[in-house]
Amino acid sequence: QSVLTQPPSVSAAPGQRVTISCSGSSSNIRNNFVSWYQQFPGAAPKLLIYENNKRPSGIPDRFSGSKSGTSATLGITGLQTGDEAHYHCGTWDSSLSVVVFGGGTQLTVL
Amino acid sequence: QVQLVQSGAEVKKPGASVKVSCKASGYTFTSYGISWVRQAPGQGLEWMGWISAYNGNTNYAQKLQGRVTMTTDTSTSTAYMELRSLRSDDTAVYYCARASIAAAGLALDYWGQGTLVTVSS
Repeated sequence: QSVLTQPPSVSAAPGQRVTISCSGSSSNIRNNFVSWYQQFPGAAPKLLIYENNKRPSGIPDRFSGSKSGTSATLGITGLQTGDEAHYHCGTWDSSLSVVVFGGGTQLTVL
Repeated sequence: QVQLVQSGAEVKKPGASVKVSCKASGYTFTSYGISWVRQAPGQGLEWMGWISAYNGNTNYAQKLQGRVTMTTDTSTSTAYMELRSLRSDDTAVYYCARASIAAAGLALDYWGQGTLVTVSS
């Protein structure tokens, strides 16, 4: 049971926009920065978004992050088949004193 | 370019210990921390802890306190994670990742390729 809650799966057609939610609490998301990671099967996670809404160098602006209260959202526009992957949110939990992750969301581009 | 290269897969018996290495290159090792994250088969990510490569300060997940030790060797820019008293539910892919030197909870911007540790009798 993950501390952060993500939908197990989302899907959308190529070219469309999709959002992935990450729900937490005041001890984690509300008061700490959220990061998002993309993971392909058999590969290591890759940082997509840090500090709620910043993109590392090389990450296309099709990927965006936002946070409101105890929830965060990853948005992906102009979906491509190459975006099919697992997406994980993560943040610090001030009560547990650990980094916590969501269970991950499988994105399918139909 | 920043690279984290981990040691190879391990098979261990219950009760044994495993030590995974993570060799860093392409950046100033002592200006960052290293976090360790594991992923059991078909499961999500689990943070294990963080070590400052500057001064060796550590922050371990309470769940693993007493079984895990994280160290660094600044002469070789290598981080190590040792897990003792292995159990079958420790079977997972173990990742090292570059972290902020300021705090354990910030983003992990570069990851190693992962090391599969299998615990089986």
